[in-house]
Amino acid sequence: SQKIEQNSEALNIQEGKTATLTCNYTNYSPAYLQWYRQDPGRGPVFLLLIRENEKEKRKERLKVTFDTTLKQSLFHITASQPADSATYLCALALMNRDDKIIFGKGTRLHILP
Amino acid sequence: NAGVTQTPKFRVLKTGQSMTLLCAQDMNHEYMYWYRQDPGMGLRLIHYSVGEGTTAKGEVPDGYNVSRLKKQNFLLGLESAAPSQTSVYFCASRDRTQPMETQYFGPGTRLLVL
Repeated sequence: SQKIEQNSEALNIQEGKTATLTCNYTNYSPAYLQWYRQDPGRGPVFLLLIRENEKEKRKERLKVTFDTTLKQSLFHITASQPADSATYLCALALMNRDDKIIFGKGTRLHILP
Repeated sequence: NAGVTQTPKFRVLKTGQSMTLLCAQDMNHEYMYWYRQDPGMGLRLIHYSVGEGTTAKGEVPDGYNVSRLKKQNFLLGLESAAPSQTSVYFCASRDRTQPMETQYFGPGTRLLVL
């Protein structure tokens, strides 16, 4: 069966350290993968997109990697800050079906001061 | 630009009542989506539309209907609400002309069905 899996438990990281979140998928052939941030009571907000032929993407303190062999994406926040505390969602857009995007359940990240 | 707006923000219904959730976007996006989000379940696609006058079923369409009469609006209807439809509903839109464009989400509608 098709699955997108993110760390189900909350992740607690000390301020200033690098937070790493994982997104694994099975039985999908994604054309690209996205990461979103969601704050309590708000809709998700787009952060980064990485295509299936890209290995790594960076934006300020954020870095995303995409390994189609391992079927995994890693999302890194360097020099983490308490304001980075939120739920982070990964989402896959499928090959030849980019009108639909499939979301993971999200990982809640807490940056501890 | 207001982006994506949703009406209402919060609603309480009794079982069997009907209601319509309205999503509006001012970005001239072709694609629009309705999701529901439940604790531990993540975002699940209910229905979507790839253009005015077209709709398609998503992952969890039962109990919902949609209409896209105007490009900027996407309506989600509940004909006979059930407690299982208690959820937070998010609308999203994106631009078709750039195939890998991001989705823009509205602020959500919190629905409680008693």
